[in-house]
Amino acid sequence: QSALTQPPSASGSPGQSVTISCTGTSSDVGGYNLVSWYQQHPGKAPKLLIYEVSKRPSGVPDRFSGSKSDNTASLTVSGLQAEDEADYYCNSYAGSNQGYVFGTGTKVTVL
Amino acid sequence: QVHLVQSGAEVKKPGASVKVSCKASGYTFTAYHIHWVRQAPGQGLEWVGMITPSTGSTYYAQNFQGRVTMTRDATRDTSTSTVYMELSSLGSEDTAVYYCAKETSATCYFDDWGQGTLVTVSS
Repeated sequence: QSALTQPPSASGSPGQSVTISCTGTSSDVGGYNLVSWYQQHPGKAPKLLIYEVSKRPSGVPDRFSGSKSDNTASLTVSGLQAEDEADYYCNSYAGSNQGYVFGTGTKVTVL
Repeated sequence: QVHLVQSGAEVKKPGASVKVSCKASGYTFTAYHIHWVRQAPGQGLEWVGMITPSTGSTYYAQNFQGRVTMTRDATRDTSTSTVYMELSSLGSEDTAVYYCAKETSATCYFDDWGQGTLVTVSS
């Protein structure tokens, strides 16, 4: 199972928006509405940001939003803040034979 | 308060095995799974597999089948549960931080994570 494809890096100034793509196949991202996104700060465990493509757990700011079109999911961070500087990973369920697959990860820099 | 606490760092020689534990507490354990995810230094996340503590059933990623074994403590205490991940025939490429993460049954996302366990494979 190949990793989902994410851009290595993205950046924006405080207050701006940044969108991260996550491209898979019809066997994972495109086949299920089971894409989740995680934020990871250096030396820390990942934290759930988005589940089921676009739903936010309680406590996650509404600056974080998710969407999906065909085989590509996206995470948008609006109103960038300094604490949003982190690595972001997508994940998708890939069926009973493959299990779960993560994206390659995107490092977001707040300029 | 949900809590996943993992065992401490390990240093192993090539060819050896390592067993990492993850103790879960703070919620009802009748309907959830524990996943294991690893992250090599400077690299991304990689799904290793999962275990359902209430039944002991397991599901491993193809890349690890034959080399990974996940087990759980048999206990009547439904307020805590400990699961284990054992990885054998270690090579330098297995040097990574190993995380356990909880999935509330059939939700297909990881809503709580352990603090991570660094496994270093070195001769």
